[in-house]
This record gives sequence, structure tokens and C-alpha cells, in this order.
Amino acid sequence: EVQLVESGGGLVQPGRSLRLSCAASGFTFDDYAMHWVRQVPGKGLEWVSGISWNSGSIGYADSVEGRFTISRDNAKSSLYLQMNSLRAEDTALYYCAKDKDRGDLGLFDYWGQGTLVTVSS
Amino acid sequence: DIQMTQSPSSVSASVGDRVTVTCRASQGVRSWLAWYQQKPGKAPKLLIYAASSLQSGVPSRFSGSGSGTDFTLTISSLQPEDFATYYCQQANSSPHTFGQGTKLEIK
Repeated sequence: EVQLVESGGGLVQPGRSLRLSCAASGFTFDDYAMHWVRQVPGKGLEWVSGISWNSGSIGYADSVEGRFTISRDNAKSSLYLQMNSLRAEDTALYYCAKDKDRGDLGLFDYWGQGTLVTVSS
Repeated sequence: DIQMTQSPSSVSASVGDRVTVTCRASQGVRSWLAWYQQKPGKAPKLLIYAASSLQSGVPSRFSGSGSGTDFTLTISSLQPEDFATYYCQQANSSPHTFGQGTKLEIK
């Protein structure tokens, strides 16, 4: 059974940093691209970033480009999102999502339950 | 960026009804279109990918069609568990944008 478990969320002041983690199990992690998708509570979905199976292809939403960094450790079956210079508008539930392919197909077939990030002073 | 627009934003229907949700892309996305279902407090679930391919385990009452800029999600006979919010998403290019969602409510 595929499982994605996010962690690292919490309350942080504007301008500070936070690192999210996603622990994957139940599939061969290094065979698939992975993504972060966020959702403001009660609002819609926004793709944040994606990374191919070997980290050779990485993409970001314009809203986080230059502030967020996605990475993965295939040996640990883990995905990360380093978030710097956080803003109030980054407040959201952050989901880790598995791609259907090893490249960045952008099709999310499994999702974690999310970790909540709140940016507030 | 490609903008995805869904209609309607909300719809009321009864168990057994046939429901159609539409999604329009601001530019062509070929068949790189997915549909997700999200229930309150839960993560989204992939229903349809490549515009018309049913994800494994998804009931056959769900179907998708379209290509280019115009797409539809159809639920042939609504079941109680289908009341949720539905999102379309384009996977043709990065950033992978979502529609604003269609909330399907019980009439």
C-alpha cells in the first residue's frame, strides 16, 4: 500500500524558514517523480513544485520560485521542501504527491494527508 | 501559465442523476488533462487522467472526454459517496494548473 506521510509544518513568522519532509513507502520511490501541492483551507489546489526521479528535472510555481527548494533522497525514500522567506500567502496545507511516471508528467496518483503551514507574526 | 476554468462552480443533484462538469483551458493541452475528487478533510483522489483514462479502482460511472481546450467529466448515476468537490488539472506543461473546483451538493 502506497503511503505518503508529510511532516515539518507549523507556525512560523514571516521571513523565516521551514523545511517540510515526506516519507514514502509501499512503492519503489526512485522510480517516480514527486510533487508538492498546496491548498489554502477552504480554497482550491495549487501545484508548488515537482522533481523527477533522479532530480534531473525540477520545476516551481512562479509564486515560490527563488524562495522554495525541492529535493529528494532516494536512499531514504524521502521528499523535501525547503521554504525560505515565508510570506502570509504561503499559509496552506501542503500535500506530498506521487507522479504516475518517473519524469514530471504532472499526474498525481497518490497523495499524503498534508501538513499545515501557518505564516503569521 | 495555462488557466483552467471549470463550470459550474457548484451544482445540486440527486442520487441517480447524471451530472456533467466542464473544464476549459486557456490554451491547448492536448489530452493532458486529469480530474480529481476531494471530500472534506481528505486529500484529493485521481479519477481520470489523459482526459479519458479511468484510474485503477475508480468506478466506471465516472468518465472523461475532450481534447485541446474543452473537457468534460461525467458521472452517469450519482451515488451518495460522489458528493464532493471536483478539480480539473492540466499536465501539458509546467506549472501544472488546476481549475477552481466544482462543488457537487445533494439536492
